[in-house]
Amino acid sequence: NAGVMQNPRHLVRRRGQEARLRCSPMKGHSHVYWYRQLPEEGLKFMVYLQKENIIDESGMPKERFSAEFPKEGPSILRIQQVVRGDSAAYFCASSPLTDRAKGYTFGSGTRLTVV
Amino acid sequence: AQRVTQPEKLLSVFKGAPVELKCNYSYSGSPELFWYVQYSRQRLQLLLRHISRESIKGFTADLNKGETSFHLKKPFAQEEDSAMYYCALSGPGNTGKLIFGQGTTLQVKP
Repeated sequence: NAGVMQNPRHLVRRRGQEARLRCSPMKGHSHVYWYRQLPEEGLKFMVYLQKENIIDESGMPKERFSAEFPKEGPSILRIQQVVRGDSAAYFCASSPLTDRAKGYTFGSGTRLTVV
Repeated sequence: AQRVTQPEKLLSVFKGAPVELKCNYSYSGSPELFWYVQYSRQRLQLLLRHISRESIKGFTADLNKGETSFHLKKPFAQEEDSAMYYCALSGPGNTGKLIFGQGTTLQVKP
């Protein structure tokens, strides 16, 4: 089991471009969480998804950010028209259906740099 | 509002010294608390959770509801304990959403 796979590890985008971050959960995990870590800060929850459903997006900025977890394929966090303030590490975690908080497995993260 | 506070950004100790990484929380209800660790160039991983009352790698943490604290302790620090430590609180609604503290870097000097 390869664990939670995130790609790319590093992503550089110019202001105004789009960023797409991918997360493949662990085998058997049906829940995906996205967190953002700004420089010098802790991880902040963004969104929680199950297959084809957004369950909680209370941490997502209202504009430019969207997330999906399709029936097939990885979960995608999409940031449109990136700005310098979007530069951060974005972490994905997955968990099984039961005892979700215990079963959290994190990916290695994607470090987004906006230039 | 739910919040987790780790007051120390950096804690530096010598090998063999006791370690206490502080964590305070605010939460209305029965909290579920965790400690996560991130070693250099590795992914974030669960160290322990208060419900299981276990000791992992010599670390323990006791939930003190009166003081709203969940400090992480180890009697004798080892160099391999050097890492970033995050305290986290499971948010409301049993969704698995976690609220993290800012993290504390533990540096164990030889």
